[in-house]
Amino acid sequence: EAGVTQFPSHSVIEKGQTVTLRCDPISGHDNLYWYRRVMGKEIKFLLHFVKESKQDESGMPNNRFLAERTGGTYSTLKVQPAELEDSGVYFCASSQEWKRSPLHFGNGTRLTVT
Amino acid sequence: GDSVTQMEGPVTLSEEAFLTINCTYTATGYPSLFWYVQYPGEGLQLLLKATKADDKGSNKGFEATYRKETTSFHLEKGSVQVSDSAVYFCALTRSGNTGKLIFGQGTTLQVKP
Repeated sequence: EAGVTQFPSHSVIEKGQTVTLRCDPISGHDNLYWYRRVMGKEIKFLLHFVKESKQDESGMPNNRFLAERTGGTYSTLKVQPAELEDSGVYFCASSQEWKRSPLHFGNGTRLTVT
Repeated sequence: GDSVTQMEGPVTLSEEAFLTINCTYTATGYPSLFWYVQYPGEGLQLLLKATKADDKGSNKGFEATYRKETTSFHLEKGSVQVSDSAVYFCALTRSGNTGKLIFGQGTTLQVKP
């Protein structure tokens, strides 16, 4: 089966610009998660979708971040306007049913804001 | 709140050396504990897990035992290989939680031939 796919793999933008990250989960996985690792620190939870609904968005840092999951399939994470501290690696993960199966992670998108 | 603390890296070892990466946690209740690994250029992969006290998770020669009395989940391998070079993350999730993971800061392991 195809794994979790993230686009782009790298993005370099200037402060104040907008960037949209995309995640395609494994087909059939209702649960989709976004995580972020900033500057070699711990990976932090951002939010969790169940199908198209936001189950938990307690980790979203501020209202410059907007996540959507159209039709319960792929998800996008938009940062607008980007700030320097948004630089890091954004990971997406999906699972069918988390208690019985592990989270499958994508390779991440490395975002650099200059 | 819940948290995970890992030993500082990077850790540099010679091939066939013994590996220990320390991990301690703070959490109420009975969390499940995990080790994830990120090989260069790849995403995170689940390495092993333990869901209750005294459970031992094992995979690919790696082991970790859930120690509730010391709130620890140290990762060990008896003989590392160059191919084990990666970043290792300790993580926990609360029972009843919908898969939300709390990670440590990661430990980079470099194994030299």
